[in-house]
Amino acid sequence: NAGVTQTPKFQVLKTGQSMTLQCAQDMNHEYMSWYRQDPGMGLRLIHYSVGAGITDQGEVPNGYNVSRSTTEDFPLRLLSAAPSQTSVYFCASSYRTSGPFEQYFGPGTRLTVT
Amino acid sequence: AQSVTQPDIHITVSEGASLELRCNYSYGATPYLFWYVQSPGQGLQLLLKYFSGDTLVQGIKGFEAEFKRSQSSFNLRKPSVHWSDAAEYFCAVGAPGTASKLTFGTGTRLQVTL
Repeated sequence: NAGVTQTPKFQVLKTGQSMTLQCAQDMNHEYMSWYRQDPGMGLRLIHYSVGAGITDQGEVPNGYNVSRSTTEDFPLRLLSAAPSQTSVYFCASSYRTSGPFEQYFGPGTRLTVT
Repeated sequence: AQSVTQPDIHITVSEGASLELRCNYSYGATPYLFWYVQSPGQGLQLLLKYFSGDTLVQGIKGFEAEFKRSQSSFNLRKPSVHWSDAAEYFCAVGAPGTASKLTFGTGTRLQVTL
């Protein structure tokens, strides 16, 4: 049971390049989320999904796209990278519940846009 | 909308001293509350969580937190800090039915002096 995995661990992009951050979980969790972490700002929600085929925007969605074709995978796409997207990105998952829950976090991807 | 305030950006304590990290939340009902720790260059580890019931919750690594509804607070405590506790600590709030979304505070960086 690997939990939540993210690839790559580190990435350097040039402004305008595109890339996809990968996130996968093997816990059969229906809910998945993407956060970005910036100094002094904590973690902020980018996009989230409550099941395959269902996604929604979080607090800071601009510049990012997501899709959820399977329960296991939730990739985050940067279509045209900007220096403001330099950040550490965390993926998280949790099971479907209307009650108490816990989010399980991946190890993060550190992205630098030059 | 829910929000979290961690008023202390940086705290320094001596090894063996007691620790209290402050967290205040804003939410219309009883929220779900979490404390996470992040060591340098690492991901997030859940220390403890509160959903309901006993307002004093015990977590891992000797940490505890107390939920005080009247003060909208969920402060993290440890009676005797170890040098290995040096890290960044995040308080987070969630709501019933929103297991894909957490709102994080901006974090408190703990430095431990020997």
